Amino acid sequence: QVQLVQSGAEVKKPGASVKVSCRASGHTFSTDHLHWVRQAPGQGLEWMGIISPKSGSTSYAHKLQGRVILTRDPSTSTVYMELSSLRSEDTAVYFCAREAVRGLYYFDYWGQGTLVTVSS
Amino acid sequence: DIVMNQSPDSLAVSLGERATINCKSSQSVLNRSNNKDYLVWYQQKPGQPPKVLIHSASTRESGVPDRFSGGGSGTDFTLTISSLQAEDVAVYYCQQYYVTPCTFGQGTKVEIK
Repeated sequence: QVQLVQSGAEVKKPGASVKVSCRASGHTFSTDHLHWVRQAPGQGLEWMGIISPKSGSTSYAHKLQGRVILTRDPSTSTVYMELSSLRSEDTAVYFCAREAVRGLYYFDYWGQGTLVTVSS
Repeated sequence: DIVMNQSPDSLAVSLGERATINCKSSQSVLNRSNNKDYLVWYQQKPGQPPKVLIHSASTRESGVPDRFSGGGSGTDFTLTISSLQAEDVAVYYCQQYYVTPCTFGQGTKVEIK
């Protein structure tokens, strides 16, 4: 059974950075692309980016280019999402999610979500 | 980016009645090379991540009750719940995965009347 387990909630001040982890189990970590999607309170879903755990290659949403970095640690089957220069509008639940079919950006397994609150 | 627009924003339906949600994309999401629409529907309950119900516009995921069905092609799609059950109260999202970035509709909240 595929499981994606994320790190706990964070509270950050404007201008700071946050790093959220997503540990994968129950599947072949190196073969499944993982994505990050965020959801502002009471709002819809926004795709942030993708990482290939095997190669480490990444692609990001244009809106977040320069502020988001996705990395991975194959030794612990963990991927990380780091978002910098935080603003109040970055307050959201952040999800990692597995690509259901290679090359098709829809998602069959999701982490439980990590609430990041940006507040002074 | 492809803009996905859902209607209505919210919907109240009696138990056992039909619920229909519409999703319109700003450009076609039909892949003509394999004749598949790159459109997925998710269900999201409070405090939970989304759950995929239907992909390729009309293919039900394994384990999803057959009261859920998807239709449409090109730019216009529907999700139908044929007989609403209490456990179907949720927000439903469509998402296109034809073009990067993948984009989501704003969501439709389904409640019991």
